Order: sequence, then C-alpha cells, then structure tokens
Amino acid sequence: EVQLLESGGGLVQPGGSLRLSCAASGFSFSSYAMSWVRQAPGKGLDWVSTIKGSGDSTYYADSVKGRFTISRDNSKNTLYLQTNSLRAEDTAVYYCAKDVRVGTATPNFDSWGQGALVTVSS
Amino acid sequence: EIVLTQSPATLSLSPGERATLSCRASQSASSYLAWYQQQPGQAPRLLIYDASNRATGIPARFSGSGSGTDFTLTISSLEPEDFAVYYCQQRHSWPLTFGGGTNIEIK
Repeated sequence: EVQLLESGGGLVQPGGSLRLSCAASGFSFSSYAMSWVRQAPGKGLDWVSTIKGSGDSTYYADSVKGRFTISRDNSKNTLYLQTNSLRAEDTAVYYCAKDVRVGTATPNFDSWGQGALVTVSS
Repeated sequence: EIVLTQSPATLSLSPGERATLSCRASQSASSYLAWYQQQPGQAPRLLIYDASNRATGIPARFSGSGSGTDFTLTISSLEPEDFAVYYCQQRHSWPLTFGGGTNIEIK
C-alpha cells in the first residue's frame, strides 16, 4: 500500500523558512516523479513543484520560483520542499503527491499524503 | 499557461441523478486532462486521467470524455459518497494547472 506522510509544517513569520518532508513507502520511490500541491484555506488546488524520479529535473510554479526548492533523497525514500521568504499568501495545506505512472513527461497524482499546514503570520 | 474553467461552480442534485461536469481549457490540452474528487478535510482522489482512463479502484459510474479544449466528467447515478468537490487538472504543459472546482451538493 502506498503511503505518503508529510511533516514539518507549522507557524512561521513572514520572511521565514520551513522545510517540509514527505516520507514515502509501498512503492519504488526512485521510479516516480513526485510533486507538491497546496491548498489555501477554503480555496482550490494549486500545483507548486515537481521533481523527476532521478532528481535531475525540477519544475516550479512562477509564484514560488526562486523561493522554494524541491529535492529528494532516494536512499531515504523522502521528498522535501525547502520554503524560504515565506509570504502570507503561502499559507496553505501542502500535499505531497505521487505520479500515476513511471516515466511520464508530466504528472497526474494518484496518491496523496494527508497534508502539512503551513501558516505564515506575524 | 493553460487556464482551466470549470462549470457550473455548484451543482445541486439528488442521489440517483446523473451529474455532468465541464472543464474548458484556454488552449488545447490534447487528452492530458485528469479529474479529482475531494471530500471535506481529505486529500484529493484521482478519478480519471488522460481524459478517459479510470484510475485504480474507481467505480464504473465515473467516466470522462473530451479532448482539446472541452472535457466532461459524468457520474451516471450519484451515490451519497459522491457529493464532494471535483477538480480538473491538465498535464499538457508546464505549469500544471487545476480548475477552480465544481461542488456537487445534495438537493
């Protein structure tokens, strides 16, 4: 059974940083692209970033480019999102999500974690 | 960026009725469109990918169709657990984008 478990969320002041982690199990982690998708309170889904299985390609939404960094450690089956220069509008539940298939150029998301809440407020 | 517009925003239906949800893309998404269901307080669940392929474990009452700029999710007969918010998502090009959602509520 695929399991994705996020951690690292919390309350941070504007301009601050947080590192989110997503521990994966139940599948061949290094074979799949992984992504972060966020959802602001009461709002819709917002794609943040994707990293390919090997880690050699990364993609970002314009809203986070230059502030967020996605990475993965395939030896630990763990996905990360380093978030810097946080703004109030970054407040959201952050989900990690697995691609539905191996080797696709762009992902759909067939497994999701439970989400980690990031609140940016003074 | 491909903008996805979902309609209607809210659909009021009764159990057993047919639901038809629309997702329109601002430019061609080919067949690279997915549909997700989200229940309150839960993570989204993939229903359909690449326009018409049901994800693992998804009941046959869910079907997807369309290509290019116009896509449809059909639920043939609503079950009580189907009342939720539905999102479309394109993977034709970066950045990946989601529609604003359609809420199916009990009439």
